[in-house]
Amino acid sequence: EIVLTQSPGTLSLSPGERATLSCRASQSVSSTYLAWYQQKPGQAPRLLIYGASSRATVIPDRFSGSGSGTDFTLTISRLEPEDFAVYFCQQYGSSPITFGQGTRLEIK
Amino acid sequence: QVQLQESGPGLVKPSETLSLTCTVSGGSINSYYWSWIRQPPGKGLEWVGYIYYSGTTNYNPSLKSRVTISVDTSKNQFSLKLSSVTAADTAVYYCARAGSGSYRRPLDYWGQGTLVTVSS
Repeated sequence: EIVLTQSPGTLSLSPGERATLSCRASQSVSSTYLAWYQQKPGQAPRLLIYGASSRATVIPDRFSGSGSGTDFTLTISRLEPEDFAVYFCQQYGSSPITFGQGTRLEIK
Repeated sequence: QVQLQESGPGLVKPSETLSLTCTVSGGSINSYYWSWIRQPPGKGLEWVGYIYYSGTTNYNPSLKSRVTISVDTSKNQFSLKLSSVTAADTAVYYCARAGSGSYRRPLDYWGQGTLVTVSS
């Protein structure tokens, strides 16, 4: 099983700042099979990024993904108030499909 | 627009079987992989398993002995059964769509989730 470890656990920033979230895999993950999701309280996760760097439909371009091998990054260039949420990475290339434990992005 | 809706009992007794159904609207269940994912209160996401419209399944090894996922293409539904539940199975259960033709796709459509509590 591929274990995904996200850091930091909580990130405190202000609107307008840049956010950098990390996802590290216990073994190499093809970038084709790495996704990021956003989850707000009481809501289902929403797909943001797939294939490590491709934005999903209607996701604004302030969200970007990068990385390869065992290290992946989600960057939000300029935080908007609606971006404060929990973010999960996921690998879907090998079974079992696994998720990171999440990074909580909170308003400073 | 594809929509998914989970349904089923919100309360299940310990040792009994949890049963949920996901109804897909706005699109066909055919040609896609469909997953169940769960999230204990305040915790992270755990993939339970998936089913292809043809009936092929794959389960998380941590739950494999207790899980059955089935599909009814005539009703555009797929279902989850989890047997011998304990309090550790208390979670919000989500159904979601993976890709067409391969399970190696991101989960692009999700249901709103349903909370299932295991308690006597």
